[in-house]
Amino acid sequence: GQQVMQIPQYQHVQEGEDFTTYCNSSTTLSNIQWYKQRPGGHPVFLIQLVKSGEVKKQKRLTFQFGEAKKNSSLHITATQTTDVGTYFCALSGGSNYKLTFGKGTLLTVNP
Amino acid sequence: DAGVIQSPRHEVTEMGQEVTLRCKPISGHNSLFWYRQTMMRGLELLIYFNNNVPIDDSGMPEDRFSAKMPNASFSTLKIQPSEPRDSAVYFCASRRTVVGNEQFFGPGTRLTVL
Repeated sequence: GQQVMQIPQYQHVQEGEDFTTYCNSSTTLSNIQWYKQRPGGHPVFLIQLVKSGEVKKQKRLTFQFGEAKKNSSLHITATQTTDVGTYFCALSGGSNYKLTFGKGTLLTVNP
Repeated sequence: DAGVIQSPRHEVTEMGQEVTLRCKPISGHNSLFWYRQTMMRGLELLIYFNNNVPIDDSGMPEDRFSAKMPNASFSTLKIQPSEPRDSAVYFCASRRTVVGNEQFFGPGTRLTVL
C-alpha cells in the first residue's frame, strides 16, 4: 500500500519563530491535501496541491508540492499561538477517493 | 450548513457491549468515510461509501465491525462485541464525489471501552 512519512513528529517553537513540516511518499501522487486538527478537535481541510512544483500561500502558510510529486511541505512564518495543533498531509494516489493520512506533526507554540 | 453531525460525542461502555456510532453527512455530499484515530496508529480509514454503497471496507479491523448507510443522510458504525482496544476517536467525513475534493470531518465520537 501507499506509504507516507511525515516529519517531524513534534515541534515546539517560540511565538514568532518559523515552522516547517514535511511529507514524503513512496509513490507518485495525484494530489496532496493538508489538514489541521486543533487539540480536541477534528481535521479541517487547509489546501490541495495538484501540479508538480506548485506553491500556494494562505497568509503566513506556504504549501509546496515537489517537482516529482512525491513530497510536500507546509511552512508557517512567524508562528502564533493560534497555529497550535497537528498538521496532517493526506495523499491521494491512484484512486480518486482514498486519502492516506500521515501521522501528523504536532506544533506547540510558546507565547 | 450544519456540517457533518455525529452522535454520541462521547461513549463509555464495558467490554462485550454493542456500540453504535451515528453520522449524518452534509446534504448533497454523496461520499462518506469512517475513520478511527489513535495515538499509536494515527488516522485510519475504516470504510468508504459512495452513493450509499460500500466501496472499500478493507480498513475495517475485523468482523466485529460493521457499517451501514441505509440512505444518503445517515450512516452507522457498529462494534459488536466491543473490546478495550477499540477505544479511540471515530470520525465520520463526507465529500462531494469529485476527484480530489476535500473531505469535511464531523466532530468525532470518543469511545472508551472498559
